[in-house]
Amino acid sequence: DAGVTQSPTHLIKTRGQQVTLRCSPKSGHDTVSWYQQALGQGPQFIFQYYEEEERQRGNFPDRFSGHQFPNYSSELNVNALLLGDSALYLCASSLVSGTSFSGNTIYFGEGSWLTVV
Amino acid sequence: DQQVKQNSPSLSVQEGRISILNCDYTNSMFDYFLWYKKYPAEGPTFLISISSIKDKNEDGRFTVFLNKSAKHLSLHIVPSQPGDSAVYFCAASEYSNYQLIWGAGTKLIIKP
Repeated sequence: DAGVTQSPTHLIKTRGQQVTLRCSPKSGHDTVSWYQQALGQGPQFIFQYYEEEERQRGNFPDRFSGHQFPNYSSELNVNALLLGDSALYLCASSLVSGTSFSGNTIYFGEGSWLTVV
Repeated sequence: DQQVKQNSPSLSVQEGRISILNCDYTNSMFDYFLWYKKYPAEGPTFLISISSIKDKNEDGRFTVFLNKSAKHLSLHIVPSQPGDSAVYFCAASEYSNYQLIWGAGTKLIIKP
């Protein structure tokens, strides 16, 4: 059973460019969340997708956008890249659990390392 | 404004002894707390969690304690093993909120 897979694992982009990161959730999971982790910090919530719609968003500018496909996979797009966007981008998948929150149903991928130069 | 704080960037413990990792929070609306472990080049792995209606949760060598009045939680690992060397993150969530708020992590080093 494959866990959460992310691609690419590493990439380098130039300021002003655009980037797309991809995530395939764990089999059976229908919800995908994206987090940004800068060096030496904890992950910061970007947004969560469920039923192909953005269900909740963190404090990130509109340059960060996403998409969820019918097979539950997801993309994170970042436009007009800034040096400060350099970070590890983590995808997490889970099952919808209503209003409860069970940590052990959340699985993380290994992340995509983005370097903006 | 950091709602979840892990004030110790690193902690070194002798193998076989107890490791205690601490976490403080400021948001009284948090009702669920989690600990994650992260090895280099891997995503975070869920370790243990605790609901705000409890003050202790145990799972094998891992125990999490919650002190709501002090807005403080701690993770105890007994006995510490070399494989426990990793970065440990504390995270919290509010009821009906789908995001996790994370601390900055504590790097635990288990010395042989």
